[in-house]
Amino acid sequence: DGGITQSPKYLFRKEGQNVTLSCEQNLNHDAMYWYRQDPGQGLRLIYYSQIVNDFQKGDIAEGYSVSREKKESFPLTVTSAQKNPTAFYLCASSRQPGNSGANVLTFGAGSRLTVL
Amino acid sequence: AQTVTQSQPEMSVQEAETVTLSCTYDTSENNYYLFWYKQPPSRQMILVIRQEAYKQQNATENRFSVNFQKAAKSFSLKISDSQLGDTAMYFCAFIPYNTDKLIFGTGTRLQVFP
Repeated sequence: DGGITQSPKYLFRKEGQNVTLSCEQNLNHDAMYWYRQDPGQGLRLIYYSQIVNDFQKGDIAEGYSVSREKKESFPLTVTSAQKNPTAFYLCASSRQPGNSGANVLTFGAGSRLTVL
Repeated sequence: AQTVTQSQPEMSVQEAETVTLSCTYDTSENNYYLFWYKQPPSRQMILVIRQEAYKQQNATENRFSVNFQKAAKSFSLKISDSQLGDTAMYFCAFIPYNTDKLIFGTGTRLQVFP
């Protein structure tokens, strides 16, 4: 079945450590996205990528980094520079960039990061 | 700035009844899409319904329908014959044509009671 796989589902990190969240899709989608979800704040865009080897900052990119070396994969690294990293992280993809309203986002099941 | 506002943090409805979730948005764009997404306790985001701004006819998907008022910038979701499985967070979202930034509201938590 086609879909988006995020791992790990739960992750605990000590302060000062970097951590990488995995996102893999087998939908042959061109565009991929990372969102952060906090209680009472909805979803906020961290980074997105329209094509391999290219990505753009979203609204809250500070303290995060991404790579897009393969079409299927869009890992997110939460660095020690992110001041409040405890959150739920959602990865999504869409078929074509640039007209995303016509191409609905498909979401993964999310990763819950807790900083101890 | 483009924003989406969901003024009802929580709502509840009895099974088989009808409930309406509110959403307003602010934009200077004329062409855009609007969405309602559902996030059940599993936290998997699922598309409920989509509306294109140039279409006057309100979108309908089985028990889910919208009331799209473009001039008022309002996009409410009506759930008819509510079922226990409708219990979830519901997010309204907006995206202008030819952009990649989907803008979400803060969500409405809906509880369906037996």
